[in-house]
Amino acid sequence: AQSVTQLGSHVSVSEGALVLLRCNYSSSVPPYLFWYVQYPNQGLQLLLKYTSAATLVKGINGFEAEFKKSETSFHLTKPSAHMSDAAEYFCAVTFTGTASKLTFGTGTRLQVTL
Amino acid sequence: GAGVSQSPSNKVTEKGKDVELRCDPISGHTALYWYRQSLGQGLEFLIYFQGNSAPDKSGLPSDRFSAERTGGSVSTLTIQRTQQEDSAVYLCASSYTSGALYGYTFGSGTRLTVV
Repeated sequence: AQSVTQLGSHVSVSEGALVLLRCNYSSSVPPYLFWYVQYPNQGLQLLLKYTSAATLVKGINGFEAEFKKSETSFHLTKPSAHMSDAAEYFCAVTFTGTASKLTFGTGTRLQVTL
Repeated sequence: GAGVSQSPSNKVTEKGKDVELRCDPISGHTALYWYRQSLGQGLEFLIYFQGNSAPDKSGLPSDRFSAERTGGSVSTLTIQRTQQEDSAVYLCASSYTSGALYGYTFGSGTRLTVV
């Protein structure tokens, strides 16, 4: 069985500060990992994905994530937060092969303050 | 189409009524997924369709929920005898055969309110 755990349902950072959103996964086979962002009243937008190539993955809007097998982690980071980054972020996991369902974490709401 | 289209965007229904939610996937995407997002919770998998294979219904919460996909394209999620706990945002996503490799595209969702 596969699952993801997001530590911290709410994270607050100051504008310009480092953003760190945590995600740990559990998977019995090599995972594919995703980060999605959801702005208010909108659907999910893909930020980045890990598909067993480079372990450091760069995404849109300056976000990146590093796959660490030894720590079973896929934390999302951004060096400098913008007000526009305020949203809900979801980590998700699936595995290789034919299309299979994404299993999502419970989400982390990011607040960016002045 | 250019993206995944869901309709209606909002639906208010009375408890006990049936509702149908529609999803139009991206043309050429063989896989289609339904998720439910309840207030303050994550995304809960409901069902997925892959080509002509039997759908994976393992996430449907009760027999009041059903879904079909006609012609390998449009999908309809039906909730019978709606209950207040069915109130949520229902999200649809589609992908190429291997969503893991090619990614999943989500629609904007249908917000269902049962009163």
